[in-house]
Amino acid sequence: QVHLVQSGAEVQKPGASVKISCGASGYSFDVYAIHWVRLAPGQRLEWMGRINPGDGDTKYSQNFQGRVTFSADTSANTAYMELRSLRSEDTAVYYCAIGMVIFGAFDTWGQGTMVIVS
Amino acid sequence: DIQMTQSPSSLSASVGDRVTITCQASQDITNYLNWYQQKPGKVPKLLIYDASNLETGVPARFSGSGFGTDFTLTINSVQPEDIATYYCQQYDRVPRATFGQGTKVEIK
Repeated sequence: QVHLVQSGAEVQKPGASVKISCGASGYSFDVYAIHWVRLAPGQRLEWMGRINPGDGDTKYSQNFQGRVTFSADTSANTAYMELRSLRSEDTAVYYCAIGMVIFGAFDTWGQGTMVIVS
Repeated sequence: DIQMTQSPSSLSASVGDRVTITCQASQDITNYLNWYQQKPGKVPKLLIYDASNLETGVPARFSGSGFGTDFTLTINSVQPEDIATYYCQQYDRVPRATFGQGTKVEIK
């Protein structure tokens, strides 16, 4: 069974960085892109970008360009998302997700990681 | 960037009602439109992909339609367990993905 398991909640101060992990199991890790999506209070779901673990290729949303870095460790079947220069507006639940069946449809999600910037 | 606009932002329906949520794209996205359900405190769940295809395991009372810029999610005979926020989402090959602002469904 396919699972994405994320690291635990974080509390960070403004200006700091946070790095969240997303451990994958039940499928070939290097085959499917891992996407990062966040949900801030009162906001809509927001796509941050994606990484192809097989070749390390990354695409970032313009909203986060320069402030976020995705990485993947294929030996550990784990993807990472690092967000820098945190501000209060970055308080949100961060999800990793994959789409295994349909291009652009996210059918499997991690449980989410709450990040509080305060 | 493509903008996705959902309406209404919230609605209240009685059990058994038919509920319709619309999503409009700022430009033609053909059928690259998906719908998700997010219950409070839970992870988003894919309901409909490519505008009208029901994800495996999703109850048949959910359906989707549309093409181009205008799309609809319909819940026939809404049930108490359908209380959630529903999001439309487009994805293209740039790649980029954009979600609608969400529609919160409540039961009277």
